[in-house]
Amino acid sequence: DTEVTQTPKHLVMGMTNKKSLKCEQHMGHRAMYWYKQKAKKPPELMFVYSYEKLSINESVPSRFSPECPNSSLLNLHLHALQPEDSALYLCASSHLSTVSYEQYFGPGTRLTVT
Amino acid sequence: QQQVKQSPQSLIVQKGGISIINCAYENTAFDYFPWYQQFPGKGPALLIAIRPDVSEKKEGRFTISFNKSAKQFSLHIMDSQPGDSATYFCAASSLVTGANNLFFGTGTRLTVIP
Repeated sequence: DTEVTQTPKHLVMGMTNKKSLKCEQHMGHRAMYWYKQKAKKPPELMFVYSYEKLSINESVPSRFSPECPNSSLLNLHLHALQPEDSALYLCASSHLSTVSYEQYFGPGTRLTVT
Repeated sequence: QQQVKQSPQSLIVQKGGISIINCAYENTAFDYFPWYQQFPGKGPALLIAIRPDVSEKKEGRFTISFNKSAKQFSLHIMDSQPGDSATYFCAASSLVTGANNLFFGTGTRLTVIP
């Protein structure tokens, strides 16, 4: 099973709202990632968690707050977003191993900020 | 700075033809080169990947050719089908740091016409 699940599939929020995106995997992966993807562009890395600790933050604005409650779950808390933050938000996971490198993506959450 | 350069931006192929997408990189520390297929509104799906110790890898109709000295790799889709119409991203990463931080190419939109 190589499934990464994400909820919700679609989210519309106002600029003053607080919402959260959720991601889950049960492949035993110890690295989890958040990406942002704008239309017709490649995914852009936002955050990386290794062994449930934040290891990479690609200079993402503080209105995006990641959280990794355990090895299977990854959240992205959203607050005071701007319309330009509208995008497809992708979660991914992989092993932290030199044996297996494959990174698997979830279906994404389509976020619209009004 | 684009770490991985991808061409062409778009490609139209007749059904049954060969689709070829090319990528080039500069960072010699990269040691893992995957290709992802993405359909509209979906997350990227891992298609095939290669390590630099081999020059070619084939899985079904999909083949990666890798030229380490030229720092180039390409995806060949044999007997292209309308169902292959999607956006294809090449990527590269270095596993020295542990987590699999992917650097994506800009993407190629493939259209296979019946």
